[in-house]
Amino acid sequence: ILNVEQSPQSLHVQEGDSTNFTCSFPSSNFYALHWYRWETAKSPEALFVMTLNGDEKKKGRISATLNTKEGYSYLYIKGSQPEDSATYLCAFKGLGSNYQLIWGAGTKLIIKP
Amino acid sequence: EAGVTQFPSHSVIEKGQTVTLRCDPISGHDNLYWYRRVMGKEIKFLLHFVKESKQDESGMPNNRFLAERTGGTYSTLKVQPAELEDSGVYFCASSQEELGPVWQETQYFGPGTRLLVL
Repeated sequence: ILNVEQSPQSLHVQEGDSTNFTCSFPSSNFYALHWYRWETAKSPEALFVMTLNGDEKKKGRISATLNTKEGYSYLYIKGSQPEDSATYLCAFKGLGSNYQLIWGAGTKLIIKP
Repeated sequence: EAGVTQFPSHSVIEKGQTVTLRCDPISGHDNLYWYRRVMGKEIKFLLHFVKESKQDESGMPNNRFLAERTGGTYSTLKVQPAELEDSGVYFCASSQEELGPVWQETQYFGPGTRLLVL
């Protein structure tokens, strides 16, 4: 059974502080890792698709790294703003299994003004 | 360009009733996915259409769930009869036909339908 774990489950961060959280996934049969940002009552928004070990992607103040050998990805947010409050979801795509996305339960980030 | 839309946004029904959820993908997107998220847990894959064909329906929980995509445009997901454990947020996502490696696929999500079965 493929398992994707995200930690922490929730996180309170002071506005202006930087933060990071983790997505752990199977290190075998890796194909791609997706990060999404989801505000309740809105559509989950794609942030990154990562495929290569050592990959680092950046979008504004948000960046992500990927380690496929040990099976983890970090998402970093620099200088948190209230609008960063959301649930951050990662999803693993492995070889086989019709390339289904296997999702983590998410990290709920709350930025305190 | 209009995004993925879902209807209704919320639905509250009693156990044993029937509910039909609708998804309109982004125009021109051949791939359409249904997912479900039970509160606090991970999103689970339900099924994947390519145009009007079911490519993968391995995530459908049981035969109370029926998905259709007639004509390869919008899709419906019917739950009949609904049970308490069917409560959750049902997401639909769409993506373009793969023109390159599978990993390049970005799925665009709708806002979800929040289903509560009492």
